[in-house]
Amino acid sequence: GAVVSQHPSRVICKSGTSVKIECRSLDFQATTMFWYRQFPKQSLMLMATSNEGSKATYEQGVEKDKFLINHASLTLSTLTVTSAHPEDSSFYICSARGTDHYNEQFFGPGTRLTVL
Amino acid sequence: KQEVTQIPAALSVPEGENLVLNCSFTDSAIYNLQWFRQDPGKGLTSLLLIQSSQREQTSGRLNASLDKSSGRSTLYIAASQPGDSATYLCAVRPRSGGYQKVTFGIGTKLQVIP
Repeated sequence: GAVVSQHPSRVICKSGTSVKIECRSLDFQATTMFWYRQFPKQSLMLMATSNEGSKATYEQGVEKDKFLINHASLTLSTLTVTSAHPEDSSFYICSARGTDHYNEQFFGPGTRLTVL
Repeated sequence: KQEVTQIPAALSVPEGENLVLNCSFTDSAIYNLQWFRQDPGKGLTSLLLIQSSQREQTSGRLNASLDKSSGRSTLYIAASQPGDSATYLCAVRPRSGGYQKVTFGIGTKLQVIP
């Protein structure tokens, strides 16, 4: 299968600061990337979908001004949590799909965000 | 709205035992169903993907079945090993709406005791 990486794997920040998380497709071109959030003992919830070169589509209830998504190239998407608060502490997972692998979705290893 | 339920929420078995994990979904108009493994603090690893026209898929000691009409899928793990300990998630992609509409279950946390 294809490989998706995320950086950083863990981040701790102070309340009010911004944090950027990177998602990269290492060996394929990702036409679409997805950002999920997973709270403890809950299922993955899709936050937004981004297509390379266009604006992200956010799910209902997700603030687009708070969670900035950029998908500037076919191998990189970034999620910036702006003015983070403790309630933003969660596990953020990205996934990517391209045309090379029958459109299958591949997941990154996740980023644990802790806001103090 | 699609709902995906996984039972049991947690399961503990001795090494070597065969086991079955269950996934049920409320809307049978699906495109495919996928089983994932998630280790603590890690992302998802795809195990098996079953298209809506298929009844089952096999990979090594894993076998996943799909009964669309009854809204059920099972993941069978043969001869379980301690390395199988993880949380197993099932995810259902609807016939319409694409990956944006994939619904995940909460998962079954499996512990295989040596």
